[in-house]
Amino acid sequence: QQQVKQSPQSLIVQKGGISIINCAYENTAFDYFPWYQQFPGKGPALLIAIRPDVSEKKEGRFTISFNKSAKQFSLHIMDSQPGDSATYFCAASISNYQLIWGAGTKLIIKP
Amino acid sequence: DTEVTQTPKHLVMGMTNKKSLKCEQHMGHRAMYWYKQKAKKPPELMFVYSYEKLSINESVPSRFSPECPNSSLLNLHLHALQPEDSALYLCASSQEAAGFGGQFFGPGTRLTVL
Repeated sequence: QQQVKQSPQSLIVQKGGISIINCAYENTAFDYFPWYQQFPGKGPALLIAIRPDVSEKKEGRFTISFNKSAKQFSLHIMDSQPGDSATYFCAASISNYQLIWGAGTKLIIKP
Repeated sequence: DTEVTQTPKHLVMGMTNKKSLKCEQHMGHRAMYWYKQKAKKPPELMFVYSYEKLSINESVPSRFSPECPNSSLLNLHLHALQPEDSALYLCASSQEAAGFGGQFFGPGTRLTVL
């Protein structure tokens, strides 16, 4: 019940396209859902996060969509660029110190 | 200053060596974390310090010993490591708990145990 399931494992998108990564959870006590972006050899960087009282949050080209009833949330990257090529992790937290991480999605944006 | 810094960037050590990893933040965060990350995997939580006190130890072997000298600094002392301990070691900090404002990660220390 503590798991966060992330899909797909890898994703190839053409430059300018929309990249979509999905996550699902079981524990309805989760109340904080961040997305992290990680480039090879670097630490994860907090990209965008959402609380369950809103259905969507947008920051620039990055949008989180949140479906509380389905227990799913997704990251949309609009106008995807080669510089967006990285590994993306979703996570969930119950307002404590412990993030429950998804397995990660390797995103490749083709020029 | 919105950065978490870690030193060294790379470390190679033998199984009998003693070494330390260092982490520093100047964001006034009161929680600091050590994670271990293997290739193509998400970070695994090792330790959490809250207000300079160890609050979570995720059953980490005693060959890893954390230390929080003050609210800005976090160390990880390494002794008698095994080759399977080779990984990227990440430090992170957050204002309070993970649910409020997120965790901010350093660039990591790439550790190789021979």
